[in-house]
Formats: sequence, C-alpha cells, structure tokens
Amino acid sequence: DQQVKQNSPSLSVQEGRISILNCDYTNSMFDYFLWYKKYPAEGPTFLISISSIKDKNEDGRFTVFLNKSAKHLSLHIVPSQPGDSAVYFCAASGGNTGNQFYFGTGTSLTVIP
Amino acid sequence: DTAVSQTPKYLVTQMGNDKSIKCEQNLGHDTMYWYKQDSKKFLKIMFSYNNKELIINETVPNRFSPKSPDKAHLNLHINSLELGDSAVYFCASSQSAGWTSGYTFGSGTRLTVV
Repeated sequence: DQQVKQNSPSLSVQEGRISILNCDYTNSMFDYFLWYKKYPAEGPTFLISISSIKDKNEDGRFTVFLNKSAKHLSLHIVPSQPGDSAVYFCAASGGNTGNQFYFGTGTSLTVIP
Repeated sequence: DTAVSQTPKYLVTQMGNDKSIKCEQNLGHDTMYWYKQDSKKFLKIMFSYNNKELIINETVPNRFSPKSPDKAHLNLHINSLELGDSAVYFCASSQSAGWTSGYTFGSGTRLTVV
C-alpha cells in the first residue's frame, strides 16, 4: 500500500525556468514532509522539509508548498539549473508511523541547458 | 569523511547463497535503518534500530536478518538469496530526538542475484 505517490516519473525543464514536482499522500495523519534529491550511484540527500502547521517553506531557490486538505505537496525550483538534474523523492511521516518515513517513487528531473 | 558508509557497493551472487551488507555511521545518531529500493524505484523501509534495539520490522522474509553490534553499525544478512531480492539496499541513520531533519543515507548497495 503506497501511502506517498509521485505520479510523474520524469520532468524536463529549460534552464532558468521553474520546475514543479508534485507529491500526493493518502494518510491524513502525516504531519511532516521532506524532499530528498538523489544523484545516480549516490544515496538520497535531504533538501527541504515542511511541517503541517505551515503551508510554505522556502530555502533559496527551493520552496515547498503543502495543501493539507488536498493531501498534496509540491516542490518548486526557481530558477532551475542543470545541476538540479536528479531524482527527487518526497517522504512523509506522522501519526502512528513514529519515526518512520514513507517515500514516493521519485521524479527524475532533467534541466536542459 | 563519509557519514553513512555501506559495503559493498555492488554485489553479484547466485541464488541460494548467503550474503551480508555492512553499514556504519559516524554521525553519533541513535537510529539506523535499512531501506530497499525495488525495480519500480519504490523506497520501502525494512528495519529500524534504535540504540541497538529493533524498533521497526516491516513484513520482510525471515531470510533477512539485521544485526546491530553497536549503535554505529547496522548490518543486513540475507540467507538463501532469491532472484526477487535483486534491488538497491540503502542504509540510513537519524538522530532520534531530531528526526525532523530527516535521514542521512548511505550510497546504496546494488544486489544482483543471478
């Protein structure tokens, strides 16, 4: 049972434009969300987080938006750079999941120079 | 200086063999995990240890046995390997109290069973 879903396996964006990566979840008890970035042959690295008490968190070029009623979050990258090309995973935790995060299947972002 | 290191990085073995993957973290974290990323890229938790104690044991075959000799190490032993065990296995760690900053992952072990 996949509680976190990323329905777009891939996304291509021109350099300088906005990249929008989407993530949906099914467990209404989730209250903490993370985005990870993964390069080939490396482990995922933490990018940005948001808790359910907020609907937006910004860190430089990266902004995460949370829509609790829709059980949806998105990661915006502005402006996109070729070095942003990677696989992005969203993860969620909360309620009775304790310390456990559930991951989406990832979206492969390609930023075209 | 690698924070979470796994060995080996690649492992090719025949069906029926027994193999181990080792993981070590030098971050002083209390909690360690094993995740499996299957062919559909789904990253799913297998086990979690907190201070050498098993706290999460998802539904995985009994052929998989984690061992934590101390809180800096979490090894994964797999008996009687099957074709379906082929996947990338990621080790990760987190601070129990500060888990809101997420996990630190190792670079993964790509296991191929032939």
